[in-house]
Amino acid sequence: GNSVTQMEGPVTLSEEAFLTINCTYTATGYPSLFWYVQYPGEGLQLLLKATKADDKGSNKGFEATYRKETTSFHLEKGSVQVSDSAVYFCALSGSRGAQKLVFGQGTRLTINP
Amino acid sequence: EAQVTQNPRYLITVTGKKLTVTCSQNMNHEYMSWYRQDPGLGLRQIYYSMNVEVTDKGDVPEGYKVSRKEKRNFPLILESPSPNQTSLYFCASRDIDGNQPQHFGDGTRLSIL
Repeated sequence: GNSVTQMEGPVTLSEEAFLTINCTYTATGYPSLFWYVQYPGEGLQLLLKATKADDKGSNKGFEATYRKETTSFHLEKGSVQVSDSAVYFCALSGSRGAQKLVFGQGTRLTINP
Repeated sequence: EAQVTQNPRYLITVTGKKLTVTCSQNMNHEYMSWYRQDPGLGLRQIYYSMNVEVTDKGDVPEGYKVSRKEKRNFPLILESPSPNQTSLYFCASRDIDGNQPQHFGDGTRLSIL
């Protein structure tokens, strides 16, 4: 079945550091890929998405590129802020049937001033 | 404002006492889903619904029931809650197209004593 693997956290960085959170997936067909963010006490919000190979999703300074050859969708940001502290989830939506959303285990990010 | 509303946000109860968590969306979405979030496991799907009167099991359906009598509502029912159902629960909805992102409620934290 489909699965998503994220780098283990927690991740702690200083403000203005470069961020990478790795995400790889296993899927049949051509899934859509998502990054969701969860701020403390809130539900998940869509951060960015990509629906086909080589697409780049971007939002709020975050970027991720759908790499079919390496089955990856790594999240990057050039200069993180304290307000980016949250839990980040990589997810894929299967391309068949009910197109179920499958999540990675989440990566907790803390940014220190 | 587009939103998914869950109630209650917090509940502490005892083993065996039936409870219902309500979920309502105002986006006319066909697809709705329930997840539970546990540390280190990410989000796991409990049940989903593709439309009114159409529901199906997710990955961890044991001990839960759902119904979809109206398009906007998708309640989660625990007939006889047990301590292993202590968790953070999220309801989500999306358009029928699986390439579209899901919209999440703010979560319901259940503690079963």
